[in-house]
Amino acid sequence: NAGVTQTPKFQVLKTGQSMTLQCAQDMNHNSMYWYRQDPGMGLRLIYYSASEGTTDKGEVPNGYNVSRLNKREFSLRLESAAPSQTSVYFCASSASRTMNTEAFFGQGTRLTVV
Amino acid sequence: GNSVTQMEGPVTLSEEAFLTINCTYTATGYPSLFWYVQYPGEGLQLLLKATKADDKGSNKGFEATYRKETTSFHLEKGSVQVSDSAVYFCALTLMNRDDKIIFGKGTRLHILP
Repeated sequence: NAGVTQTPKFQVLKTGQSMTLQCAQDMNHNSMYWYRQDPGMGLRLIYYSASEGTTDKGEVPNGYNVSRLNKREFSLRLESAAPSQTSVYFCASSASRTMNTEAFFGQGTRLTVV
Repeated sequence: GNSVTQMEGPVTLSEEAFLTINCTYTATGYPSLFWYVQYPGEGLQLLLKATKADDKGSNKGFEATYRKETTSFHLEKGSVQVSDSAVYFCALTLMNRDDKIIFGKGTRLHILP
């Protein structure tokens, strides 16, 4: 069972470079999320998508854009990477937030911006 | 606003010790409560959940009871193992609200053999 798949697992970028983090889920979930995890800060929500075609800002959206390409895929783009975006990024999905179902997480992408 | 507060870590215990990780919440409405666990190098996975007051969630020897009167959902285990070493996150979601999952900051647990 694949669950939530993120690519790449590791990435090093130079300041100012752009990249897209890919996420796909095979559980037919409606909701998808992007979080970043920093030491001592827990998980902070960047963007989320309640359904195909909709996206909403989370707690820390600045410097990021997202695309909900279809029900399966939710990508996160850094247009001009900054050292402050060095973090571990997690994609997650759930059947529906209003049904209080659990979230399933990918393995994470460890991003370093130098 | 809605929030989750959990005890600061790291927590270090010897194998077979009793574990409690405190979690309290603030929420408008009636949240569902969750504990997630993150093992080294992995994403989070659900450990247990409770969806209404007085419910007890349990899994892998861990338990937590939804206490509405104290707005708490403390995680307990009677005898921890080295393999329980991980980061534990308390979280909530709210019914009838177009909202996100709200996580606590996580508590790192170290179990010594």
